[in-house]
Amino acid sequence: AQTVTQSQPEMSVQEAETVTLSCTYDTSESNYYLFWYKQPPSRQMILVIRQEAYKQQNATENRFSVNFQKAAKSFSLKISDSQLGDTAMYFCAFMFRAGSYQLTFGKGTKLSVIP
Amino acid sequence: ETGVTQTPRHLVMGMTNKKSLKCEQHLGHNAMYWYKQSAKKPLELMFVYNFKEQTENNSVPSRFSPECPNSSHLFLHLHTLQPEDSALYLCASSQDRRTSGYNEQFFGPGTRLTVL
Repeated sequence: AQTVTQSQPEMSVQEAETVTLSCTYDTSESNYYLFWYKQPPSRQMILVIRQEAYKQQNATENRFSVNFQKAAKSFSLKISDSQLGDTAMYFCAFMFRAGSYQLTFGKGTKLSVIP
Repeated sequence: ETGVTQTPRHLVMGMTNKKSLKCEQHLGHNAMYWYKQSAKKPLELMFVYNFKEQTENNSVPSRFSPECPNSSHLFLHLHTLQPEDSALYLCASSQDRRTSGYNEQFFGPGTRLTVL
């Protein structure tokens, strides 16, 4: 079974600063996807960024980037130039590349951006 | 309406009540999902429907009964629930998985359920 661990239950960052959220996972598979989802107070879960395990290049989406270390099974999210709207729960998630619908989520990190 | 909608947004029910949660997607997807989000626990996948057929049931108690009359609508019928069933119930949809590759799941805002 796959597990996803987010070791930081809560974090805070000053507006315009950079913050990194940690995620580790455990799997015996070699082909899979990794995701970061954002859940603001409105509760709507939104995909922030996606990484395909067979791609060595780290994914980037505007101010969001990941540090994917496949051998270490680590998948951290870096948010640059933090904005107040980044305040939310952030969930790391895992999915097999093919043949499964199941997203396995971590427990989440609550991020607060301080003005 | 756009995206994935869920009604009601909040629901309070007694253990002997029967209620239903509704999810509707306006994205032309063929797969729909129910997730349970409890405090301090990871999201748990409950059910998956693909082209109206249930493809996954993750050992969910029978007091939760899903229904998918078509690819746009998904219901979760609730009866004789327990207080520990209080949680946020999220619905999601995606393109079907019969094609290879990845299909992003789009989530609704959830129904906050409280069982007294």
